Amino acid sequence: HLQESGPGLVKPSETLSLTCTVSGGSISSGNFYWNWIRQHPGKGLEWIGYVYYSVSSFYNPSLESRVAISVDTSKNQFSLKLRSVSAADTAVYYCARAETLTPGSFKFDHWGRGTLVTVSS
Amino acid sequence: FMLTQPHSVSASPGKTVTISCTRSSGSIASNYVQWYQQRPGSAPTIVIYEDTQRPTEIPDRFAGSIDRSSNSASLTISGLKTEDEADYYCQSYDSTIHVVFGGGTKVTVL
Repeated sequence: HLQESGPGLVKPSETLSLTCTVSGGSISSGNFYWNWIRQHPGKGLEWIGYVYYSVSSFYNPSLESRVAISVDTSKNQFSLKLRSVSAADTAVYYCARAETLTPGSFKFDHWGRGTLVTVSS
Repeated sequence: FMLTQPHSVSASPGKTVTISCTRSSGSIASNYVQWYQQRPGSAPTIVIYEDTQRPTEIPDRFAGSIDRSSNSASLTISGLKTEDEADYYCQSYDSTIHVVFGGGTKVTVL
């Protein structure tokens, strides 16, 4: 089970911060990557990035300069920070687990319910 | 690379729909394709993984396939039900740009 939490309203130019709490399993388990995905209103899914084990992280090139994803293993949580937000960052943000047991496979098998973040003054 | 899906498909209850997902560059077979269903107001859920595999809770009306000749993957829903009305997204991965989603296809049950 994954659950997003964080402010639903962020001012332009500030930093969006969200946390995903993982329950029912350890965030340190191998073969799992911890992801953030967003969906602009009425639009498709956009992958933001992932963190693996707190060892490595990779981001969507279109967001790379503003994004950081980190892990807190003591709390079984991972977090998203998106800097210098604008109205274009208004979206539903999902956290999701990707399982990679099979080589060449990267499947999102568990998703949070999503949280709407609005960027507005 | 990009994954291109039709914007929408529709059919009557009991009929069959097929959604395509065409990869713009590189082989469709080089990395597995997944399909997700998203009902309004809900998070996506996986319906097909690793091109053709169904999670145990997904009915066998859902089937995935890949076609190397057209460099595309397909999701076929047979015996269409009103509950199948949703948006469907394909997704794949590569070691360079990592995760890619298709633009999504709206399935309408007439």
